[in-house]
Amino acid sequence: GNSVTQMQGQVTLSEEEFLFINCTYSTTGYPTLFWYVQYPGEGPQLLLKVTTANNKGSSRGFEATYDKGTTSFHLQKASVQESDSAVYYCVLGYNQGKLIFGQGTKLSIKP
Amino acid sequence: ETAVFQTPNYHVTQVGNEVSFNCKQTLGHDTMYWYKQDSKKLLKIMFSYNNKQLIVNETVPRRFSPQSSDKAHLNLRIKSVEPEDSAVYLCASSYWGGEDTQYFGPGTRLLVL
Repeated sequence: GNSVTQMQGQVTLSEEEFLFINCTYSTTGYPTLFWYVQYPGEGPQLLLKVTTANNKGSSRGFEATYDKGTTSFHLQKASVQESDSAVYYCVLGYNQGKLIFGQGTKLSIKP
Repeated sequence: ETAVFQTPNYHVTQVGNEVSFNCKQTLGHDTMYWYKQDSKKLLKIMFSYNNKQLIVNETVPRRFSPQSSDKAHLNLRIKSVEPEDSAVYLCASSYWGGEDTQYFGPGTRLLVL
């Protein structure tokens, strides 16, 4: 079946540190993979979208890389800021508009 | 303003009552969704509608029923709420297709006493 796993439930960093969040997925088709971010009191919003065609995506200083061989998908940022504090979701998209969300990684930044 | 709007923001009720949540999108999308987000922040899809037709109906209790009057509106009714229904209900919309970005509303937080 289709599934997504995020093992890091919580990550705490200091400002300007490097962020790396890993995600693994399982699917029988050709998925599109997303990273969504959710700030407190808001709904999730798209951060990045990566398809099998391009394998990489970047936005707002974040970069996502998709490795079909290891069925992994990770998010990184070279230097985090306090404003990056949020919950980050790895998401698998497939037929009929279905999105499967990972468990989420809560990022806390120490000022 | 183009966005996804949800009402109410917050609702407290007692076990056995009926509740209804509203969602409207002004993005011109043809597909709308309802998700449930539990206390651990886990998000799961409940329903999706494309042009007023039910497309996805995940395994949710029968007391939950979506209602769509047109492609810009998708409401959610819960007939007889249970304590486990306490959660945040998120509405989203997109253009039809598995690869398209979904835009989410701010959510309705339900507390069942």
